[in-house]
Amino acid sequence: DTGVSQNPRHKITKRGQNVTFRCDPISEHNRLYWYRQTLGQGPEFLTYFQNEAQLEKSRLLSDRFSAERPKGSFSTLEIQRTEQGDSAMYLCASHGRKGQPIFGQGTRLTVV
Amino acid sequence: AQSVTQLGSHVSVSEGALVLLRCNYSSSVPPYLFWYVQYPNQGLQLLLKYTTGATLVKGINGFEAEFKKSETSFHLTKPSAHMSDAAEYFCAVSGPRLTFGEGTQLTVNP
Repeated sequence: DTGVSQNPRHKITKRGQNVTFRCDPISEHNRLYWYRQTLGQGPEFLTYFQNEAQLEKSRLLSDRFSAERPKGSFSTLEIQRTEQGDSAMYLCASHGRKGQPIFGQGTRLTVV
Repeated sequence: AQSVTQLGSHVSVSEGALVLLRCNYSSSVPPYLFWYVQYPNQGLQLLLKYTTGATLVKGINGFEAEFKKSETSFHLTKPSAHMSDAAEYFCAVSGPRLTFGEGTQLTVNP
């Protein structure tokens, strides 16, 4: 297992459509984070899981966003009824009991 | 609450010159501090981190940072810039999630 994997790398969708992103963390990492990064900005925290429990959600995570981590393994982030303002890079990171958060390559979402 | 301020959204240096990227943090608990680098359309790669112990931290690619509690700073330096250092750099504070600064775009001129 060489790192955090995110799929797809790029997604173009029409406004109003639903999209789902997947993150596969490093296998022994129990914590998983989602961040959103818009152009020219630092990543902003969205939500995080410890194992399968979603422990914190940002106020940025509107009711159109939902995240899951079934069985504490991979995670999905779904955006319903996408808006142009959702266009961003969505980053996933995983973190074990020691060490530091390791980031995936991100999913670039473009809403047209 | 935690926050990070990166002074200077753009820094330009000549190849071979000193790189200094500034970061100040605010944290209500002893902080864990990180510097990440991001190349275009890529994720974040860890350069270095400070948790406890030695305040001068060495990272990859010749970068280092010094934790100064009295100044609430964690500035990133590299003695001699290389063209391949051109990227965006983010300072972050942890607890339990990362809070990032706005980033500093480093340009290296030949």
